[in-house]
Amino acid sequence: AQSVSQHNHHVILSEAASLELGCNYSYGGTVNLFWYVQYPGQHLQLLLKYFSGDPLVKGIKGFEAEFIKSKFSFNLRKPSVQWSDTAEYFCAVIPPYNTDKLIFGTGTRLQVFP
Amino acid sequence: DVKVTQSSRYLVKRTGEKVFLECVQDMDHENMFWYRQDPGLGLRLIYFSYDVKMKEKGDIPEGYSVSREKKERFSLILESASTNQTSMYLCASRSGNSNQPQHFGDGTRLSIL
Repeated sequence: AQSVSQHNHHVILSEAASLELGCNYSYGGTVNLFWYVQYPGQHLQLLLKYFSGDPLVKGIKGFEAEFIKSKFSFNLRKPSVQWSDTAEYFCAVIPPYNTDKLIFGTGTRLQVFP
Repeated sequence: DVKVTQSSRYLVKRTGEKVFLECVQDMDHENMFWYRQDPGLGLRLIYFSYDVKMKEKGDIPEGYSVSREKKERFSLILESASTNQTSMYLCASRSGNSNQPQHFGDGTRLSIL
C-alpha cells in the first residue's frame, strides 16, 4: 500500500548531539511534503514544508529537511539539539492522487536529555 | 494567527452513547478535517469537509459521521460509542489552496468506558 514511513519510532539523544529523522514515502509523481512537531501537551505545529524548488528546506527552530526524489525521502535534520526539542515529530505527504488529503507517518518520539 | 478550537480537552463517555466533538476555526478556511491519533499509528483521517454541508470520507470513517452546517464549525459524531474509539481526536483546518499547511487544534482525549 502507498504510505509514509518513519522508521525511527523512538530516538534518545543528549543535548548538542546531531539529529536526523528518516521519512520515506511510496507515492510516484509530484508530492508535497511536510514535517510537523507536537510538543508535550501542545497542538501539532508546522516545522517546514517542501513544494518545489531548492530541495534543502529550512524551517523554524534550526530544523532543515532535504528532499531526495530518487530515494523518495524527506529526512529531517538539526545539527545540535536542545532539551526543548523533546517532542513527537511527524512527516506528512500530500499524495498526487488527492491533493485534499495529508497522509501522516507514524511519528518519531524524540527525547533529549541535558 | 489561525486558531482552531476544540470544545473539550478531555471527555469520558460510556459505550453506546452518542458523542459529539466540536471544532471551530476563526480563519474562514474552506477545508476542515478530523483525525484520530493513536500511539504507533500516527494520525489517520476520519472525515474531511471542503465546504458547508459537504463531506468526504477519509481512511477510517466507520463508526463516525460529521456535520458542517456553518463554515467555521465542523462536528464529529460517534453514533454509538465503542471502547475501540478511545483515542485522541484532532481537528484541523486549511484554506482552499492545497499548498497551504493544515492548522491543528489542541485535541480531545476521548475515553469510552
